[in-house]
Amino acid sequence: GAGVSQSPRYKVAKRGQDVALRCDPISGHVSLFWYQQALGQGPEFLTYFQNEAQLDKSGLPSDRFFAERPEGSVSTLKIQRTQQEDSAVYLCASSFDRNTEAFFGQGTRLTVV
Amino acid sequence: GIQVEQSPPDLILQEGANSTLRCNFSDSVNNLQWFHQNPWGQLINLFYIPSGTKQNGRLSATTVATERYSLLYISSSQTTDSGVYFCAVERRGFNKFYFGSGTKLNVKP
Repeated sequence: GAGVSQSPRYKVAKRGQDVALRCDPISGHVSLFWYQQALGQGPEFLTYFQNEAQLDKSGLPSDRFFAERPEGSVSTLKIQRTQQEDSAVYLCASSFDRNTEAFFGQGTRLTVV
Repeated sequence: GIQVEQSPPDLILQEGANSTLRCNFSDSVNNLQWFHQNPWGQLINLFYIPSGTKQNGRLSATTVATERYSLLYISSSQTTDSGVYFCAVERRGFNKFYFGSGTKLNVKP
């Protein structure tokens, strides 16, 4: 596609509910990243994929967070048993390869009530 | 990780004024990008500039990797330049960007 696409744009979840956030990277991009951005702060790294392999998940805040990219293209970030502190904007980015220019999607704004 | 410091944290300009935003980082990097986050939250790529100088219209950027800083210049600012500007750096082999806290720019008509 022309750019990185994320869906949904907005998600309101009740505390304890599971959510799934989708990312469609730019076609042909090998690297895919997920970031979390709290209000008024810079994005913080969650996890990195190279093709279908999850090479770094050091930023995932708890075992309630899970990400996958089974066919090396579309990725899903899943949050189980959501809590209020999970409220944030979740950003996906892709790049052609390691250490090359990254492009970000519009983000998914998650609000847990 | 790498520490990324951006200054100033807030900046108010009159339309038509020029400004310089600074990004300091604590270790050597092989990737540096400047982004503009618009009011809808989208991170727009401005420059991919691990070293050297680039220009794009009213914007230009310079990275001096050996001295661990980068500068973003905005000339003849417009109200549409308002938003938050982020610097992000990446170290070879680490496959993750470290972001600064951003500079929030408000350009008044």
